[in-house]
Amino acid sequence: NAGVTQTPKFRILKIGQSMTLQCTQDMNHNYMYWYRQDPGMGLKLIYYSVGAGITDKGEVPNGYNVSRSTTEDFPLRLELAAPSQTSVYFCASSTPLGQANSPLHFGNGTRLTVT
Amino acid sequence: DAKTTQPPSMDCAEGRAANLPCNHSTISGNEYVYWYRQIHSQGPQYIIHGLKNNETNEMASLIITEDRKSSTLILPHATLRDTAVYYCIVRVGDDKIIFGKGTRLHILP
Repeated sequence: NAGVTQTPKFRILKIGQSMTLQCTQDMNHNYMYWYRQDPGMGLKLIYYSVGAGITDKGEVPNGYNVSRSTTEDFPLRLELAAPSQTSVYFCASSTPLGQANSPLHFGNGTRLTVT
Repeated sequence: DAKTTQPPSMDCAEGRAANLPCNHSTISGNEYVYWYRQIHSQGPQYIIHGLKNNETNEMASLIITEDRKSSTLILPHATLRDTAVYYCIVRVGDDKIIFGKGTRLHILP
């Protein structure tokens, strides 16, 4: 299994541009998450999904949109990029709590700079 | 907000046991305690989790107090490769998994 795959690894955006961060997992996990991590800080939850067709806001959803049309994919959309969205973005997936160990599996991150 | 509090940083001598505390005083009966670590800028890595009983695996041991209001992650023989940020989180069925600021562990040679 490849696990959780994020693309691209790096991206530089100009203010006002839009982009989609891709996340796919091949573990048949129902739960998927998007986090952002600013330099020297912890992870902040942006959006999460407990299954295809279901998404919920996390701690910092403003400026982002998500969709979950399949179990495997959970793309994160930035519509009007702002410098405050400069961060490292991590995608993660998990089975529901109670199934096996249910740990979060993380991707390697997308490093986004908005200038 | 995160339901856990951890010291911002700790030092441990190489070869000694590293004991990382976590306070989760508002934990409810069906919430699990999970530990992760993040090395440099990589994605966090799962270490261990527990509900009530102490747990041990090949990476670490988890000691949960009887009242479940705090726990300690133990790395039995710390090496330089254990230098990382360690996150303690609680997880309940709504699955809105919130991370705190974690503890930055420095292993001293």
